[in-house]
Amino acid sequence: QKEVEQDPGPLSVPEGAIVSLNCTYSNSAFQYFMWYRQYSRKGPELLMYTYSSGNKEDGRFTAQVDKSSKYISLFIRDSQPSDSATYLCVSGRGSFNKFYFGSGTKLNVKP
Amino acid sequence: DVKVTQSSRYLVKRTGEKVFLECVQDMDHENMFWYRQDPGLGLRLIYFSYDVKMKEKGDIPEGYSVSREKKERFSLILESASTNQTSMYLCASTRVDYGYTFGSGTRLTVV
Repeated sequence: QKEVEQDPGPLSVPEGAIVSLNCTYSNSAFQYFMWYRQYSRKGPELLMYTYSSGNKEDGRFTAQVDKSSKYISLFIRDSQPSDSATYLCVSGRGSFNKFYFGSGTKLNVKP
Repeated sequence: DVKVTQSSRYLVKRTGEKVFLECVQDMDHENMFWYRQDPGLGLRLIYFSYDVKMKEKGDIPEGYSVSREKKERFSLILESASTNQTSMYLCASTRVDYGYTFGSGTRLTVV
């Protein structure tokens, strides 16, 4: 079993839709959770960084962590074509070498 | 704006060649990492370094070595390139409260 599991998609939505991206993780000791966005042929860039459980909001993006079910979500409101990218979820413990990446969900937002 | 710079975007090398991938960060971060990214497998940690001249093996170190002679520079070395090392290579650095900052990646093809 992989430490972080993520549906690879692709997920295709119309512009303006609410997008829900999800991951599960295996280790209940994980305390750090991140979402990265990766455009084609580019390196990943950090979108959201959370510690422990709960919600965090930044503009159109909301990250949610449910530690009881080991479930991580990223919601995108009013999705735009510029949101078309691959989204990576990351989870782990305190040391950065103990972070694990999901394989990424490819999102396509159609104009 | 903080940056992690990878010296090459695209490389084509022959089987058996020794290959050097260079990474420089300007954020004075202690921790630096090399990952490879393959479709369906996500990011896998090759090596990381938490200080100058210090290195630790990640999950897939076989066939690779690293060098960190200066804090800002972390080099990945493929001792004898093989076709199964064809991949996207990503360098990253971190500070504890922010997460990874990635470079743009080097797409290496070994023929």
